[in-house]
Amino acid sequence: AQSVTQPDIHITVSEGASLELRCNYSYGATPYLFWYVQSPGQGLQLLLKYFSGDTLVQGIKGFEAEFKRSQSSFNLRKPSVHWSDAAEYFCAVGAGNTDKLIFGTGTRLQVFP
Amino acid sequence: SQTIHQWPATLVQPVGSPLSLECTVEGTSNPNLYWYRQAAGRGLQLLFYSVGIGQISSEVPQNLSASRPQDRQFILSSKKLLLSDSGFYLCARKGVGETQYFGPGTRLLVL
Repeated sequence: AQSVTQPDIHITVSEGASLELRCNYSYGATPYLFWYVQSPGQGLQLLLKYFSGDTLVQGIKGFEAEFKRSQSSFNLRKPSVHWSDAAEYFCAVGAGNTDKLIFGTGTRLQVFP
Repeated sequence: SQTIHQWPATLVQPVGSPLSLECTVEGTSNPNLYWYRQAAGRGLQLLFYSVGIGQISSEVPQNLSASRPQDRQFILSSKKLLLSDSGFYLCARKGVGETQYFGPGTRLLVL
């Protein structure tokens, strides 16, 4: 069965520092992969998605993610974090022709000035 | 543009009272629609999804039900709320591939 693991529940970084949020998935075929961001009390906003092709995907707000098949990973990165990036981040995988997404449990990002 | 509306934004209800949360979608026809719940400090749980009018699939047995009376309307209901129904309810629609786009959510507090 498909699954998504976000091993870091909570990450704290200083403003201006680089960021990497980890995501590992379990899926037999080439997955559809997504990163979403959720600010407190808000819905989820799509940051970026990977379907096929170039394994380095650019998203909104300066985020990027790299699909590594050999590691079953889709880590989210940002070279310089801003205080407004503080939020919860969810990784998700498309559950193969079921029209459903499997979500990770999320990583809460805290940014210190 | 394609927009998802959820109503109400916040709701406080007593235990045992009924519930009706509404999700409406603009700018697209016959979308797949989804209801998720987020309990405090937890991830997303898929509750229901619908591929068309009157077509509802339930993902988990529970105190809730869903209906799709119109193409762009998805309703989440309960006859008698439980304390455990408290949470943040999100409606989503399917886009290209398996992308999902989310509404702003409804916060429900059952007292």
